[in-house]
Amino acid sequence: AQRVTQPEKLLSVFKGAPVELKCNYSYSGSPELFWYVQYSRQRLQLLLRHISRESIKGFTADLNKGETSFHLKKPFAQEEDSAMYYCALINFGNEKLTFGTGTRLTIIP
Amino acid sequence: SQTIHQWPATLVQPVGSPLSLECTVEGTSNPNLYWYRQAAGRGLQLLFYSVGIGQISSEVPQNLSASRPQDRQFILSSKKLLLSDSGFYLCAWSAGLNQPQHFGDGTRLSIL
Repeated sequence: AQRVTQPEKLLSVFKGAPVELKCNYSYSGSPELFWYVQYSRQRLQLLLRHISRESIKGFTADLNKGETSFHLKKPFAQEEDSAMYYCALINFGNEKLTFGTGTRLTIIP
Repeated sequence: SQTIHQWPATLVQPVGSPLSLECTVEGTSNPNLYWYRQAAGRGLQLLFYSVGIGQISSEVPQNLSASRPQDRQFILSSKKLLLSDSGFYLCAWSAGLNQPQHFGDGTRLSIL
């Protein structure tokens, strides 16, 4: 069965400091992974997907199959990055998206 | 462009009453549709998903049911609500396999 683990429920980082939100997964096939973000009073929305290899709002995430990880990183945190972040994995067979429990990121001014 | 509408935004219902939450998608055809429950400390739990009209897959046994009477309409229902049905319910759609999901604003359901 597929599983997504986000070990940190809460993470506080000073403005300008680097950010790393951890995500580990277990999946028997070749994974497709996403990061979703929910800002205060806004909808849950896609931040980035590993297949695109993009940098969105300064965030990047690299799939490490050896460590089964997909950590989200940003070199310099900004106050507007404060939000709830969810890592998710899709099962190609049934198109189901499995979410982690989320990490609430707070940027300290 | 595609949009997703979910209503109501909040709902307070007594135990034992019925439930109907509606979700509609505009600007696309034959979307995959999903219902999730978001519980504190538990993340997002997939309840139902649908790949076409009348096709519903249930992920967890529960007091809820889902229906898809039209291509872009997804309804979450219950005949008799339980206290444990309280939570935040999210509807989402995707264009299909390997595509990101797009979420509605959610419904906060409180059972008294």
